[in-house]
Amino acid sequence: SQKIEQNSEALNIQEGKTATLTCNYTNYSPAYLQWYRQDPGRGPVFLLLIRENEKEKRKERLKVTFDTTLKQSLFHITASQPADSATYLCALDFPLSSASKIIFGSGTRLSIRP
Amino acid sequence: DAGVTQSPTHLIKTRGQQVTLRCSPKSGHDTVSWYQQALGQGPQFIFQYYEEEERQRGNFPDRFSGHQFPNYSSELNVNALLLGDSALYLCASSPTPRASGNYEQYFGPGTRLTVT
Repeated sequence: SQKIEQNSEALNIQEGKTATLTCNYTNYSPAYLQWYRQDPGRGPVFLLLIRENEKEKRKERLKVTFDTTLKQSLFHITASQPADSATYLCALDFPLSSASKIIFGSGTRLSIRP
Repeated sequence: DAGVTQSPTHLIKTRGQQVTLRCSPKSGHDTVSWYQQALGQGPQFIFQYYEEEERQRGNFPDRFSGHQFPNYSSELNVNALLLGDSALYLCASSPTPRASGNYEQYFGPGTRLTVT
C-alpha cells in the first residue's frame, strides 16, 4: 500500500532561517502533491500544489520541489517567522476519472523560535 | 462568503451508538470529502461524494456511510461506535473534480467525536 513519511515529528528553527520539511513516499508517484498547514484544533489549510511534471513551485516565502525519481518532495519556508509555527502536512493526490483520492502524511510540527 | 461549515463542533457518544455529522460545502463547490484524523496523525480519507453518489472510498468499514443532498451538503453516519472511532472528523469541499483545474480542498473546522 502507498506510504508517506514526513521528517521527524518536530522541527525547531531560529527565526529568519529557512525551514525545510521532507515528504517521502513509496510505490506510485502521484499526479499531484499538495502541502497543507494545520493549526491546533483547526482544519488543514491548502498552501501549494505541484504536478508530477513540475520540478519546483513558489508562492511568496514558500517553495516546493518534487522529485519523482527520488519519490520525494521538499517544502521550504524562507525568512521563517514565529507565525509560521504549525503542523505541515503533505498529501499525495491520485486523480481518477470522476473522483480523486488524497493520502496524507502524518505531518511535521514546525516551531519557529524568536 | 461562508467557507465550509460543520456541525456539531463536539460530540460525546457511548459505544454501540450511532452518530450523524453534517457538512455544508463552500459556495460554488459540489464535491465533498470526509476524513478522520486521530490525535497526532494526518487525516485519513473516508470517502468522497459528487453528484449525490459515493465516488471513492478509503479503507473504512461499512459502519461508515454517507449521503450528499441536492444542495451539495453532506452527512457522515457512523454506526455501532467503537472507542477507536474517537477522532476529529473533517469535511473538505472542492470544485467539480478536475474540471475547473482548481485542485485545492477547503476544510471545515471539524467535529470532535469522543466515544466512551
